[in-house]
Amino acid sequence: QSALTQPPSASGSPGQSVTISCTGTSSDVGRYNYVSWYQQYPGKAPKLMIFEVSERPSGVPDRFLGSKSGNMASLTVSGLQAEDEADYYCGSYAGNNVFVFGGGTKLTVL
Amino acid sequence: EVQLVESGGGLVQPGGSLRLSCAASGFAFGEYWVQWIRQAPGKGLAWVARINSDGRTTIYADSVKGRFTISRDNAKNTLFLQMNSLRVEDTAIYFCSRDFRFGADYWGQGTLVTVSS
Repeated sequence: QSALTQPPSASGSPGQSVTISCTGTSSDVGRYNYVSWYQQYPGKAPKLMIFEVSERPSGVPDRFLGSKSGNMASLTVSGLQAEDEADYYCGSYAGNNVFVFGGGTKLTVL
Repeated sequence: EVQLVESGGGLVQPGGSLRLSCAASGFAFGEYWVQWIRQAPGKGLAWVARINSDGRTTIYADSVKGRFTISRDNAKNTLFLQMNSLRVEDTAIYFCSRDFRFGADYWGQGTLVTVSS
């Protein structure tokens, strides 16, 4: 049950695109297409942004794009807006009904 | 509207016990897996435990196995987390959430558990 690896920080200017990586292993990210991404503002509960690698829940802007290659998943936020500044966490199913999160990435909009 | 409301958090001494509750509404609670996820102050999210729809299958993170027990009462639309032998490192905000495609689509606002002498 090792945590997934995310960069601690990422940044971009308004209108630009930024990609956040999430590195796991062949036992979690690499094996299952159950990668999800969460946005969290300070003092608030996380919000589901992406599920099953690249699916967006209703209401999530299509500026948020999820993908996966091998043991690494990615979240790309295009057309950055000030409101995108938040912490982002990836999560993955790891088999045997176990779930694992990444350490989180603080996204700063410059 | 789907709602999850946690309660039961508070200050407890190391070695003590606490029982958290999560009241669910706005969806067919008894048809979903649900789970507890925690977040230590200033830290990231950590999955704690999951329970299947009828309560017969429970799974735990290694860090809480043998000390925490997840359970549910589908008649009362409520999820529980019994926490025993609490440690300082269990200090965190505890969120309940609804499982969705091995993720979490709805979250409560969280309840703070502080383990300190």
